[in-house]
Amino acid sequence: KAGVTQTPRYLIKTRGQQVTLSCSPISGHRSVSWYQQTPGQGLQFLFEYFSETQRNKGNFPGRFSGRQFSNSRSEMNVSTLELGDSALYLCASSLDGGPATDTQYFGPGTRLTVL
Amino acid sequence: GNSVTQMEGPVTLSEEAFLTINCTYTATGYPSLFWYVQYPGEGLQLLLKATKADDKGSNKGFEATYRKETTSFHLEKGSVQVSDSAVYFCALKVNSNYQLIWGAGTKLIIKP
Repeated sequence: KAGVTQTPRYLIKTRGQQVTLSCSPISGHRSVSWYQQTPGQGLQFLFEYFSETQRNKGNFPGRFSGRQFSNSRSEMNVSTLELGDSALYLCASSLDGGPATDTQYFGPGTRLTVL
Repeated sequence: GNSVTQMEGPVTLSEEAFLTINCTYTATGYPSLFWYVQYPGEGLQLLLKATKADDKGSNKGFEATYRKETTSFHLEKGSVQVSDSAVYFCALKVNSNYQLIWGAGTKLIIKP
């Protein structure tokens, strides 16, 4: 089975711009989660989607948004970029997302640099 | 609330040394516990997991036992290699929370 894929792998943007990141989950996985990783804050949960519905959201401003399509692919969008948004954005997929035993598998990440 | 505490790094060892990275947790209910590894410039890879008390997860020579009485999930390996150099993350998940709760990560450096 192919793993989780994320595109693009690297992005350079300037402050005030917006960006869209894409994630394709493992075939058969219906839950997609997004995390932000920075040296200062570590790994922080952004949101989780299942069947095109956001079920949980982390503590991020409204500039961060996401969506999921009927084929389980997901996108996240960051509007009005700030320097502090520079981070590695990680997507994870799992079968269901709900049970504690449901294992998340991660993509390689998208490295976003905001200048 | 739910939380994970890992020993701070970096941890520096010589090749073939014994490795322990401590992880303790606080959680409501019955969490599952995970270790993920991140190599430089890469995403997170699942290393091992345990879903109930006294379970032992193992993979690539690494082991961790889910200890409910001490709320711990320490990562161990008997003989580390240079290729084990990476950052290791302990995480937990509880039912219907839809997210992993992460430790801060422990950087491991193995010297030849």
